[in-house]
Order: sequence, then structure tokens, then C-alpha cells
Amino acid sequence: EAGVAQSPRYKIIEKRQSVAFWCNPISGHATLYWYQQILGQGPKLLIQFQNNGVVDDSQLPKDRFSAERLKGVDSTLKIQPAKLEDSAVYLCASSPRLPDTQYFGPGTRLTVL
Amino acid sequence: AQRVTQPEKLLSVFKGAPVELKCNYSYSGSPELFWYVQYSRQRLQLLLRHISRESIKGFTADLNKGETSFHLKKPFAQEEDSAMYYCAASGAGSYQLTFGKGTKLSVIP
Repeated sequence: EAGVAQSPRYKIIEKRQSVAFWCNPISGHATLYWYQQILGQGPKLLIQFQNNGVVDDSQLPKDRFSAERLKGVDSTLKIQPAKLEDSAVYLCASSPRLPDTQYFGPGTRLTVL
Repeated sequence: AQRVTQPEKLLSVFKGAPVELKCNYSYSGSPELFWYVQYSRQRLQLLLRHISRESIKGFTADLNKGETSFHLKKPFAQEEDSAMYYCAASGAGSYQLTFGKGTKLSVIP
């Protein structure tokens, strides 16, 4: 089966600009996660969707970050405006049901200058 | 606060030597514990989970509730084991993973 797809793979922007990331989970997976992984750290959960509803977004900086999962399939994560400390790899993961194994995408490496 | 601690950033061992990657957790209740691995230029992937009690690629992990540890072990390291290893935990009924900072394992030929 095809894995979790993410795009773009790399993005370089200047601070205060906006950026959006896209994720296509494995077909049929109901649960989708977005993680932020700063260099030297483990992934940190930002938001979790079950179908198209938000299960948990307690660690999402809502003043600048937003995410949606229309129709319970693809998802986008947006940052507006970006700050230097947002430089990180953004990982998307999906699982068929809670609390099953999470399958990770290749990630998007964001550099904010 | 929920926390997963991996005390070693880097662990180097010779091929054929035993490997132990340490993981300690601080969680209320009975968390579910995992080891994830990321090989060079590959995606993060599940290596094993304590509930399944499997041995994957020769690795095992024993949950010690008294010491709140979930150390990953392999009796004889192989060069292809060189990778980044992350310990992770989720609270009962939570399904949300908290990761440690990771340990880079380097197996010296």
C-alpha cells in the first residue's frame, strides 16, 4: 500500500511570511496527526484528527498555526506568520484506528530566515 | 507532567557487541510504550510495542514498572542497526504519543 505522502519536502521562507503543508494519509486511515520535530528533539504532537474532527489540539500554537482535514482525508497545516523558532521538520502520520500503529510520512523541512 | 527520557544522545558499539538503549518514562496510570526507529534517509517507523511482546530484528524491550523503564536490547549489534531510536509513550486511552529526544546508535564495523 502507498505510504503517507507529504509536500513540499523542503521550504525556505522569511519570518512573518505564511506557509502551508499538505498531507495525504494512507487510504482508509481515520486518524491523522501532525508533529513538529525541532533539531535534536523528538517529534511533538501538534494536532490529532479523527476523520474530519479535531481530537486534540492542545499543543498547537493557535495564534499562528491552523490545521484542517476536509472530508476526513487530506489535511493541511498552515503557519501565519512564521517565526524563526518554527524552523523544524513537520511530520504527518496516520493510523487506521485508535490506538493503532502510526505510519509516518517523510516530513517537510521548514527553514525560517 | 508526562515525560519520556532517553539519557544518551549517542551510543557507539562494535559489531557483535550487546546493545542497550535506555528509556525512562514518567506517566500517570499504565502507559503504552513503543520504540520507533529512523534509518538514514528513511521515515520514522515502529520497531516494537510492549503490548505485543514481539522481537523485531532481534530487538526486545522489557517494561519495568518499578523502575519506570522500557530499555531496548539486542544481544549482538549489526551494522544495519545504525539509526536513530526514539522511545515513545501514550497514556491509557489517550492514543497521543510523547517521544523522547532520541538516541543515535552507531555500530562500528
